[in-house]
Amino acid sequence: QKEVEQDPGPLSVPEGAIVSLNCTYSNSAFQYFMWYRQYSRKGPELLMYTYSSGNKEDGRFTAQVDKSSKYISLFIRDSQPSDSATYLCAIGTGSARQLTFGSGTQLTVLP
Amino acid sequence: DTAVSQTPKYLVTQMGNDKSIKCEQNLGHDTMYWYKQDSKKFLKIMFSYNNKELIINETVPNRFSPKSPDKAHLNLHINSLELGDSAVYFCASSHPDPLSFGQGTRLTVV
Repeated sequence: QKEVEQDPGPLSVPEGAIVSLNCTYSNSAFQYFMWYRQYSRKGPELLMYTYSSGNKEDGRFTAQVDKSSKYISLFIRDSQPSDSATYLCAIGTGSARQLTFGSGTQLTVLP
Repeated sequence: DTAVSQTPKYLVTQMGNDKSIKCEQNLGHDTMYWYKQDSKKFLKIMFSYNNKELIINETVPNRFSPKSPDKAHLNLHINSLELGDSAVYFCASSHPDPLSFGQGTRLTVV
């Protein structure tokens, strides 16, 4: 079993839809949760990060962490074509030095 | 004014050759990394340096050798390239969180 499993997609939604991207993890010591967005032929860029269970909101993006279920989600409201990218979850025990990445979910938002 | 920059962006080379990828960051971060991303977008850490000291050295063939001349630079040298080395290699930095990535070097071994 991989330490971090991510829904592989690909996912295709119409513009304006609510998107849910999910990862599960196996190590209960993980306490550092991040979401990266990667456009085609570009480097990953940080979207959100959190250390605690619960929700964290930033504009149209909400990161949700459920440590009891070892499950994290990223919700995108009012999705836009510019949101089309691969989304990577990254989970770690203490710092960026110890991150494990999910395999990414490719999202396409159709105009 | 790129924060983490890598050169070259594309590299096509023959099996058996030796090649280097260079990385520089102007963020003042203490820690730099090399990651490898395969064709399925899976990102895996290879090496990490903190203030020029190697702190993470994952199971990577010893044909791969990182070098950090100072804390703003981290280079990756690859000897005797093999077909399986074809991938995108990302440099990243942090202080200590979160990771900032470069744009990647797409290596194709033919």
